[in-house]
Amino acid sequence: SQKIEQNSEALNIQEGKTATLTCNYTNYSPAYLQWYRQDPGRGPVFLLLIRENEKEKRKERLKVTFDTTLKQSLFHITASQPADSATYLCAPLQAGTALIFGKGTTLSVSS
Amino acid sequence: GAGVSQSPSNKVTEKGKDVELRCDPISGHTALYWYRQSLGQGLEFLIYFQGNSAPDKSGLPSDRFSAERTGGSVSTLTIQRTQQEDSAVYLCASSLYLGGASTGELFFGEGSRLTVL
Repeated sequence: SQKIEQNSEALNIQEGKTATLTCNYTNYSPAYLQWYRQDPGRGPVFLLLIRENEKEKRKERLKVTFDTTLKQSLFHITASQPADSATYLCAPLQAGTALIFGKGTTLSVSS
Repeated sequence: GAGVSQSPSNKVTEKGKDVELRCDPISGHTALYWYRQSLGQGLEFLIYFQGNSAPDKSGLPSDRFSAERTGGSVSTLTIQRTQQEDSAVYLCASSLYLGGASTGELFFGEGSRLTVL
């Protein structure tokens, strides 16, 4: 069955450092992969989409990579700030199927 | 509307009662999703609609759960004979069909918090 794995432990880092979150998937052939941010008590908010033919995508302090051979996406936040503290969700999307989310990684940035 | 609207925002019910949760998607969005999120857990996929049809109902936990969408717009999630394990936040999201310039991003509502006593 299809499976999505994200860093199961919470990630704690110091302000100014780079946070790297991992998303691994199995039994998927996604054409796209999306990343979302979820704050406590709120619905997730879309951050970035990367296509299978794109190795890397950047948006401000965010960078996403997508390795279809390794079946992995990495999500980086550079120069992290306390306001980046949230849960980050990945969602590989295979054409014609529903969007399924990983369980998420909770990031905590301390000042 | 400007965003995805869900109602009620909070619902407390007694075990065995039926509940209906409503979702008003963003106008023009063809895809509509229902997810469930228990406290401290990830998003559990329930069902999604493309227009009025539901290509994937595989996430519905049991036959007590059903959903419909009418007019390609409003959707209702119905839970019959509620159980305590149904307590969760039920999130609805809508999107344009993925393709072209569209990223197919999901826009989420604020959720309906269901508590079954």
